[in-house]
Amino acid sequence: GNSVTQMEGPVTLSEEAFLTINCTYTATGYPSLFWYVQYPGEGLQLLLKATKADDKGSNKGFEATYRKETTSFHLEKGSVQVSDSAVYFCALTVSYNTDKLIFGTGTRLQVFP
Amino acid sequence: EAGVAQSPRYKIIEKRQSVAFWCNPISGHATLYWYQQILGQGPKLLIQFQNNGVVDDSQLPKDRFSAERLKGVDSTLKIQPAKLEDSAVYLCASSQSGIQGATQYFGPGTRLLVL
Repeated sequence: GNSVTQMEGPVTLSEEAFLTINCTYTATGYPSLFWYVQYPGEGLQLLLKATKADDKGSNKGFEATYRKETTSFHLEKGSVQVSDSAVYFCALTVSYNTDKLIFGTGTRLQVFP
Repeated sequence: EAGVAQSPRYKIIEKRQSVAFWCNPISGHATLYWYQQILGQGPKLLIQFQNNGVVDDSQLPKDRFSAERLKGVDSTLKIQPAKLEDSAVYLCASSQSGIQGATQYFGPGTRLLVL
């Protein structure tokens, strides 16, 4: 079946450190891949997405590249800030006529000054 | 532009009681989704509407959950009777189209606690 696997958290970093959150997927067909973020007390927000292999999604200093050969979509940021503390969800959609999101379990990021 | 609205934000009920959640999507969005997010897990789709028709309800526990989207705008999700395992955050989302790659916009969610 279709699924997403994320690294377990929490991920604890100091401000300005480099961030990587691993995400791998299993899917039939050609999925679109997403990263959503949930800040404390807020709803889910789209952070970035990629709809085909080798595409790079980017937003707010975060990047992720759609790697079909390794079925991965790892999230990276060169220098994290305290305000990046949140839960990050990797997700995919697989069917053309429905965009049902299939989510990973989420990874909590804690950034300390 | 107003976002997805949901109410109530919090609800506490006893098992076997009924409860209803309301969602108002972003204006002009044809597709509406209800997701269930249990603590420590990612959201799981319960039902997807395209206008006022159901596209996918394969993971909706139909013996106790029901949903409707009258006139293709607002939607209501109901649980009757509730069980302890229904304690979760219920998220409503909407998108302009229901095709792969479309961006879904989420509401703040309704946190349900069943005692």
